[in-house]
Amino acid sequence: DIQMTQSPSSLSASVGDRVTITCQASQDISNYLNWYQQKPGKAPKLLIYDASNLETGVPSRFSGSGSGTDFTFTISSLQPEDIATYYCQQYDNLPPWTFGQGTKVEIK
Amino acid sequence: EVQLVESGGGSVQPGGSLRLSCAASGFTVSSNYMSWVRQAPGKGLEWVSVIYSGGSTYYADSVKGRFTISRHNSKNTLYLQMNSLRAEDTAVYYCARGYSGSQNWGQGTLVTVSS
Repeated sequence: DIQMTQSPSSLSASVGDRVTITCQASQDISNYLNWYQQKPGKAPKLLIYDASNLETGVPSRFSGSGSGTDFTFTISSLQPEDIATYYCQQYDNLPPWTFGQGTKVEIK
Repeated sequence: EVQLVESGGGSVQPGGSLRLSCAASGFTVSSNYMSWVRQAPGKGLEWVSVIYSGGSTYYADSVKGRFTISRHNSKNTLYLQMNSLRAEDTAVYYCARGYSGSQNWGQGTLVTVSS
């Protein structure tokens, strides 16, 4: 099975800061990667699919990049409503489609 | 409008069974990849199972042989039959449509396995 290593596990940043989260796959997954946002008590929300495509309706301050084994998720200017936990998920070829461990983003 | 509504969660003793349902509206379950994802209290997301539009099914190693994903086309509903439940199966279970862009998720249903 493909393992996803996400870092950091948590971060604290100021409003307006640029925030970056990384995800590393244990093998080449091409661009088959999603990024999700989850707020407490809510279902996950898809933000980015195919590593770099913005889901409809998602603000453009969110972006993703990478291919193969190394991926990056960026919030260009952190807003108070972005406080959440973010997860990567690979969906390469056959399941299981594993998630990263999550990154909790807080305001400094 | 696309909507997914999970039900069937509750408390069960170790070794027991539960069947979760995910009633869909606004789209056809049998024409989509449908998944179950769970989240243990205070923990991260764990992918559980998927059924392809063609009917193929896949499971996480942690539930293989104990859980069965299925769908009822005329009821437009997805199911997860959970047998031989363990304490570590305690989680909120979400159903989801799709695996890439244009996803939809339900609100989740809580399963608690405890004696």
